[in-house]
Amino acid sequence: EIVLTQSPGTLSLSPGERATLSCRASQTISSTYLVWYQQKPGQAPRLLIYGASSRATGIPDRFSGSGSGTDFTLTISRLEPEDFALYYCQHYGSSPLYAFGQGTKLDIK
Amino acid sequence: EVQVVESGGGLVQPGGSLRLSCAASGLSFTTYWMHWVRQVPEKGLVWVARINSDGSSSGYADSVKGRFTISRDIAQNTLYLQMNSLRDEDTAVYYCTYSSARQYFHYWGQGTLVTVSS
Repeated sequence: EIVLTQSPGTLSLSPGERATLSCRASQTISSTYLVWYQQKPGQAPRLLIYGASSRATGIPDRFSGSGSGTDFTLTISRLEPEDFALYYCQHYGSSPLYAFGQGTKLDIK
Repeated sequence: EVQVVESGGGLVQPGGSLRLSCAASGLSFTTYWMHWVRQVPEKGLVWVARINSDGSSSGYADSVKGRFTISRDIAQNTLYLQMNSLRDEDTAVYYCTYSSARQYFHYWGQGTLVTVSS
């Protein structure tokens, strides 16, 4: 069974700073199926990054994804006020079919 | 514009049943696999069930296998989740979403809250 562990649990930064969020898999996974979502309070998740590094339609280029094997990163180059939210990584595989990380909360310092 | 709208949530006693619906518009319903994903308030996301594009195949999380049934009405562009033998731990917001070959969830509805409590 694949477990996705996100770190840190909470990241406190200021607007304009760079954010680096980590997603580590318990075993090697395919980057093709590594995805990142953003969720704001009271809202549904929104697709940010798919295939580890491809931005979804309408996602600003300050968001970027990278990684392979077991270690993946979501980077927000310069934080805007609207970027403070929860972020989840997700993987499609065999067991479980769709696994989510526990989330990283990005809050304003 | 894509819209997915969930309905059918509510308060139900342990052991009871509930059927959730998801009305989809603005997308080619028969192109995509459809899914239910749930979220305990203030907690993380958990995938629950999926059904393939023509409704011939489905899959479930171990926690709901044998109790929940996912189905779709292609003519009505509607997805369903029949939930039986509900437990306290099934309390969550249930989201409807869809995926293509790359198996990521393109767009999510706003969710419907299911509360299992006596």
